[in-house]
Amino acid sequence: QVQLQESGPGLVKPSETLSLTCTVSGASTSDYYWSWIRQPPGKGLEWIGYIYSSEGAHYNPSLKSRATISEDTSKNQISLKLSSVTAADTAVYYCARDHWERITNGWKYYGMDVWGQGTTVTVSS
Amino acid sequence: QSALTQPPSASGSPGQSVTISCTGTSSDVGGHNHVSWYQQHPRKAPKVMIYEVNKRPSGVPDRFSGSKSGNTASLTVSGLQAEDEADYYCSSYAGNNNLVFGGGTKLTVL
Repeated sequence: QVQLQESGPGLVKPSETLSLTCTVSGASTSDYYWSWIRQPPGKGLEWIGYIYSSEGAHYNPSLKSRATISEDTSKNQISLKLSSVTAADTAVYYCARDHWERITNGWKYYGMDVWGQGTTVTVSS
Repeated sequence: QSALTQPPSASGSPGQSVTISCTGTSSDVGGHNHVSWYQQHPRKAPKVMIYEVNKRPSGVPDRFSGSKSGNTASLTVSGLQAEDEADYYCSSYAGNNNLVFGGGTKLTVL
């Protein structure tokens, strides 16, 4: 059974860098795509980006290069860094397994089929 | 990239059917079958209910079904039950290693 657990500071000052970690159990981080998603208070979901070990990371263009997603295979963890944060970055941050599977004529996408419980990050001085 | 367009709210009585739409463009919904739907109860993480437009993960009731026509995907919940009251989000692959969510629809069971 795959389980994900997000961790990191709950309070970050404006202009600083938000750093979160997602610890994966029950699966190897190198075998799947892993996404970060956030949800501002009372608002909808926003995809931040994903990483796949052999391909690197890809990001939502709207974040304008502020996001960095990385993988630590020795710890089986996925990390998110978001620089130059403002109050607009206040949100619940989720990590999720983004289940892509290569098939004969392309890809099959099972969706984000395992989610962490989420961690709340507030940007405030 | 712009968010996919969903109605902010939908409602139905127990036992009825309700359909939620999700409109995108030929670059996302219309151009790929990698469309998913998620259910989110208050203060909970989302749960995938439909993937690849119309496929249900194991454990999801067959009351939930998905479809797509052109640039619009739809989620239909038949035989509404009280526990179906939740927020629903669509998502689509948008090409160039991008994913996009819809704005979400609050489903109320009257």
